[in-house]
Amino acid sequence: EVQLVQSGAEVKKPGESLKISCKGSGYSFTSYWIGWVRQMPGKGLEWMGIIYPGDSDTRYSPSFQGQVTISADKSISTAYLQWSSLKASDTAMYYCASGRNWNHFDYWGQGTLVTVSS
Amino acid sequence: DIQMTQSPSSLSASVGDRVTITCQASQDISNYLNWYQQKPGKAPKLLIYDASNLETGVPSRFSGSGSGTDFTFTISSLQPEDIATYYCQQYDNLPPTLTFGGGTKVEIK
Repeated sequence: EVQLVQSGAEVKKPGESLKISCKGSGYSFTSYWIGWVRQMPGKGLEWMGIIYPGDSDTRYSPSFQGQVTISADKSISTAYLQWSSLKASDTAMYYCASGRNWNHFDYWGQGTLVTVSS
Repeated sequence: DIQMTQSPSSLSASVGDRVTITCQASQDISNYLNWYQQKPGKAPKLLIYDASNLETGVPSRFSGSGSGTDFTFTISSLQPEDIATYYCQQYDNLPPTLTFGGGTKVEIK
Protein backbone atom coordinates (compact mmCIF):
# COMPACT_ATOMS: atom_id res chain seq x y z
CA GLU A 1 0.00 0.00 0.00
CA VAL A 2 1.36 3.38 -1.00
CA GLN A 3 1.59 5.79 1.91
CA LEU A 4 2.87 9.31 2.32
CA VAL A 5 3.28 10.29 5.97
CA GLN A 6 3.94 13.92 6.72
CA SER A 7 5.53 15.46 9.79
CA GLY A 8 3.36 17.01 12.48
CA ALA A 9 1.86 20.45 12.89
CA GLU A 10 4.20 23.36 13.50
CA VAL A 11 3.78 26.70 15.26
CA LYS A 12 6.50 29.21 14.41
CA LYS A 13 7.27 32.90 14.73
CA PRO A 14 7.85 35.21 11.76
CA GLY A 15 11.47 35.09 10.64
CA GLU A 16 12.08 31.54 11.87
CA SER A 17 13.15 28.72 9.60
CA LEU A 18 11.26 25.47 9.09
CA LYS A 19 11.64 22.15 7.29
CA ILE A 20 8.69 19.77 7.01
CA SER A 21 8.90 16.23 5.72
CA CYS A 22 7.01 13.63 3.73
CA LYS A 23 8.03 9.96 3.97
CA GLY A 24 6.98 7.60 1.22
CA SER A 25 6.48 3.86 1.55
CA GLY A 26 4.95 0.99 -0.40
CA TYR A 27 6.38 2.04 -3.75
CA SER A 28 9.65 2.83 -5.49
CA PHE A 29 10.38 6.26 -4.00
CA THR A 30 12.94 7.13 -6.66
CA SER A 31 10.54 6.40 -9.54
CA TYR A 32 7.68 8.72 -8.60
CA TRP A 33 7.51 12.50 -8.63
CA ILE A 34 6.65 14.22 -5.34
CA GLY A 35 4.94 17.58 -5.30
CA TRP A 36 3.94 20.08 -2.66
CA VAL A 37 0.59 21.86 -2.55
CA ARG A 38 -0.42 24.77 -0.33
CA GLN A 39 -3.92 25.38 0.97
CA MET A 40 -4.38 28.58 2.91
CA PRO A 41 -7.22 28.68 5.46
CA GLY A 42 -10.57 28.42 3.69
CA LYS A 43 -8.95 28.70 0.27
CA GLY A 44 -8.15 26.53 -2.74
CA LEU A 45 -5.17 24.46 -3.78
CA GLU A 46 -1.91 25.98 -5.03
CA TRP A 47 0.88 23.97 -6.64
CA MET A 48 4.28 24.88 -5.22
CA GLY A 49 6.69 22.57 -7.02
CA ILE A 50 7.82 19.02 -7.69
CA ILE A 51 10.91 16.88 -7.32
CA TYR A 52 11.97 13.60 -8.87
CA PRO A 53 13.89 11.85 -6.07
CA GLY A 54 15.71 9.59 -8.52
CA ASP A 55 17.87 12.45 -9.79
CA SER A 56 16.66 15.42 -7.66
CA ASP A 57 15.26 17.19 -10.74
CA THR A 58 13.23 20.00 -9.15
CA ARG A 59 10.74 22.44 -10.67
CA TYR A 60 9.04 25.34 -8.91
CA SER A 61 5.89 27.30 -9.50
CA PRO A 62 6.88 30.88 -10.40
CA SER A 63 4.81 31.99 -7.40
CA PHE A 64 7.00 30.01 -5.01
CA GLN A 65 10.40 30.15 -6.72
CA GLY A 66 12.87 31.65 -4.27
CA GLN A 67 10.39 31.47 -1.40
CA VAL A 68 10.80 27.78 -0.50
CA THR A 69 13.22 24.93 -1.14
CA ILE A 70 12.14 21.44 -2.13
CA SER A 71 14.54 18.56 -1.59
CA ALA A 72 14.60 14.79 -1.12
CA ASP A 73 16.75 12.17 0.57
CA LYS A 74 16.23 8.98 -1.36
CA SER A 75 18.21 6.95 1.19
CA ILE A 76 15.34 7.41 3.64
CA SER A 77 12.51 7.87 1.09
CA THR A 78 11.72 11.35 2.38
CA ALA A 79 10.96 14.64 0.68
CA TYR A 80 11.20 18.04 2.31
CA LEU A 81 9.79 21.53 2.03
CA GLN A 82 11.69 24.26 3.78
CA TRP A 83 11.59 27.96 4.50
CA SER A 84 14.51 30.12 5.61
CA SER A 85 12.39 32.95 6.97
CA LEU A 86 8.71 32.39 7.60
CA LYS A 87 6.02 35.04 7.21
CA ALA A 88 2.55 35.16 8.68
CA SER A 89 1.22 34.64 5.17
CA ASP A 90 2.88 31.18 5.11
CA THR A 91 0.19 29.99 7.52
CA ALA A 92 -1.48 27.13 5.67
CA MET A 93 -1.94 23.40 5.31
CA TYR A 94 0.79 21.88 3.19
CA TYR A 95 0.25 18.60 1.35
CA CYS A 96 2.79 16.39 -0.30
CA ALA A 97 1.56 14.21 -3.14
CA SER A 98 3.16 11.71 -5.48
CA GLY A 99 2.60 10.27 -8.90
CA ARG A 100 4.36 8.20 -11.55
CA ASN A 101 3.81 11.13 -13.89
CA TRP A 102 4.71 14.67 -12.83
CA ASN A 103 1.44 16.08 -14.05
CA HIS A 104 -1.05 14.47 -11.69
CA PHE A 105 -0.97 13.18 -8.14
CA ASP A 106 -2.23 9.68 -7.38
CA TYR A 107 -1.32 9.63 -3.71
CA TRP A 108 -1.47 12.30 -1.04
CA GLY A 109 -0.09 12.81 2.45
CA GLN A 110 -2.34 13.75 5.34
CA GLY A 111 -1.14 17.36 5.36
CA THR A 112 1.03 19.41 7.69
CA LEU A 113 -0.51 22.51 9.27
CA VAL A 114 1.97 25.37 9.59
CA THR A 115 0.98 28.32 11.74
CA VAL A 116 3.16 31.43 11.75
CA SER A 117 2.27 33.96 14.41
CA SER A 118 4.06 36.35 16.69
CA ASP B 1 0.41 31.91 -17.71
CA ILE B 2 -2.62 29.72 -18.34
CA GLN B 3 -5.63 30.69 -16.27
CA MET B 4 -8.35 28.23 -15.28
CA THR B 5 -11.90 29.43 -14.71
CA GLN B 6 -14.00 26.91 -12.82
CA SER B 7 -17.75 27.28 -12.40
CA PRO B 8 -19.91 27.38 -10.50
CA SER B 9 -18.05 28.16 -7.27
CA SER B 10 -20.75 26.32 -5.35
CA LEU B 11 -23.90 24.35 -6.03
CA SER B 12 -26.65 22.60 -4.14
CA ALA B 13 -28.35 19.53 -5.58
CA SER B 14 -30.56 16.67 -4.45
CA VAL B 15 -29.47 13.07 -4.03
CA GLY B 16 -29.78 11.38 -7.40
CA ASP B 17 -29.36 14.58 -9.41
CA ARG B 18 -26.93 14.94 -12.28
CA VAL B 19 -24.24 17.48 -11.36
CA THR B 20 -22.03 19.26 -13.88
CA ILE B 21 -18.97 21.42 -13.23
CA THR B 22 -17.06 23.23 -15.95
CA CYS B 23 -13.50 24.40 -16.27
CA GLN B 24 -12.32 26.76 -18.98
CA ALA B 25 -8.68 27.34 -19.87
CA SER B 26 -7.40 30.68 -21.15
CA GLN B 27 -5.70 28.87 -24.04
CA ASP B 28 -5.68 25.46 -25.69
CA ILE B 29 -4.40 22.83 -23.23
CA SER B 30 -5.29 19.75 -25.30
CA ASN B 31 -6.44 17.13 -22.76
CA TYR B 32 -4.00 18.20 -20.05
CA LEU B 33 -6.62 18.40 -17.33
CA ASN B 34 -7.27 16.47 -14.14
CA TRP B 35 -10.07 16.52 -11.56
CA TYR B 36 -9.76 16.09 -7.78
CA GLN B 37 -12.21 15.70 -4.93
CA GLN B 38 -11.50 17.16 -1.50
CA LYS B 39 -13.76 16.23 1.38
CA PRO B 40 -13.81 18.52 4.43
CA GLY B 41 -10.68 18.15 6.54
CA LYS B 42 -9.14 15.63 4.15
CA ALA B 43 -6.46 15.57 1.51
CA PRO B 44 -7.53 15.81 -2.15
CA LYS B 45 -8.13 12.65 -4.14
CA LEU B 46 -7.54 12.18 -7.86
CA LEU B 47 -10.73 11.21 -9.73
CA ILE B 48 -10.08 11.89 -13.42
CA TYR B 49 -6.80 12.34 -15.30
CA ASP B 50 -6.10 13.55 -18.82
CA ALA B 51 -9.62 14.95 -19.11
CA SER B 52 -11.57 11.70 -19.30
CA ASN B 53 -9.68 8.80 -17.72
CA LEU B 54 -11.21 7.43 -14.53
CA GLU B 55 -8.65 6.75 -11.82
CA THR B 56 -8.60 3.16 -10.60
CA GLY B 57 -11.17 2.51 -7.89
CA VAL B 58 -13.22 5.64 -8.54
CA PRO B 59 -16.97 5.01 -8.97
CA SER B 60 -18.25 5.14 -12.52
CA ARG B 61 -20.81 7.85 -11.68
CA PHE B 62 -17.89 10.26 -12.01
CA SER B 63 -16.81 11.24 -15.51
CA GLY B 64 -14.90 13.92 -17.37
CA SER B 65 -14.90 15.20 -20.92
CA GLY B 66 -13.56 17.96 -23.10
CA SER B 67 -10.43 19.10 -24.85
CA GLY B 68 -8.85 22.35 -25.95
CA THR B 69 -10.24 25.04 -23.67
CA ASP B 70 -13.53 23.66 -22.37
CA PHE B 71 -13.89 20.78 -19.94
CA THR B 72 -16.76 19.21 -18.03
CA PHE B 73 -16.86 17.08 -14.89
CA THR B 74 -20.08 15.16 -14.21
CA ILE B 75 -21.54 13.21 -11.33
CA SER B 76 -24.31 11.20 -12.96
CA SER B 77 -26.26 10.56 -9.76
CA LEU B 78 -25.23 12.58 -6.72
CA GLN B 79 -24.72 10.57 -3.54
CA PRO B 80 -24.46 11.86 0.05
CA GLU B 81 -20.79 10.82 0.20
CA ASP B 82 -20.03 13.09 -2.77
CA ILE B 83 -20.27 16.20 -0.60
CA ALA B 84 -16.91 17.83 -1.24
CA THR B 85 -15.08 20.54 -3.09
CA TYR B 86 -13.99 19.60 -6.60
CA TYR B 87 -10.97 21.10 -8.34
CA CYS B 88 -9.78 20.99 -11.91
CA GLN B 89 -6.03 21.08 -12.47
CA GLN B 90 -4.26 21.79 -15.74
CA TYR B 91 -0.66 21.10 -16.57
CA ASP B 92 1.74 22.59 -19.06
CA ASN B 93 4.94 21.00 -20.30
CA LEU B 94 6.99 24.02 -21.21
CA PRO B 95 7.96 24.83 -18.55
CA PRO B 96 6.40 22.17 -16.33
CA THR B 97 3.69 23.90 -14.33
CA LEU B 98 0.41 22.90 -12.74
CA THR B 99 -2.51 25.21 -12.04
CA PHE B 100 -5.63 24.43 -10.02
CA GLY B 101 -9.02 25.92 -10.69
CA GLY B 102 -10.76 27.82 -7.92
CA GLY B 103 -12.88 24.87 -6.80
CA THR B 104 -16.60 24.01 -6.72
CA LYS B 105 -18.24 23.24 -3.41
CA VAL B 106 -21.00 20.66 -3.81
CA GLU B 107 -23.70 20.44 -1.17
CA ILE B 108 -26.86 18.41 -0.75
CA LYS B 109 -30.14 20.29 -1.05
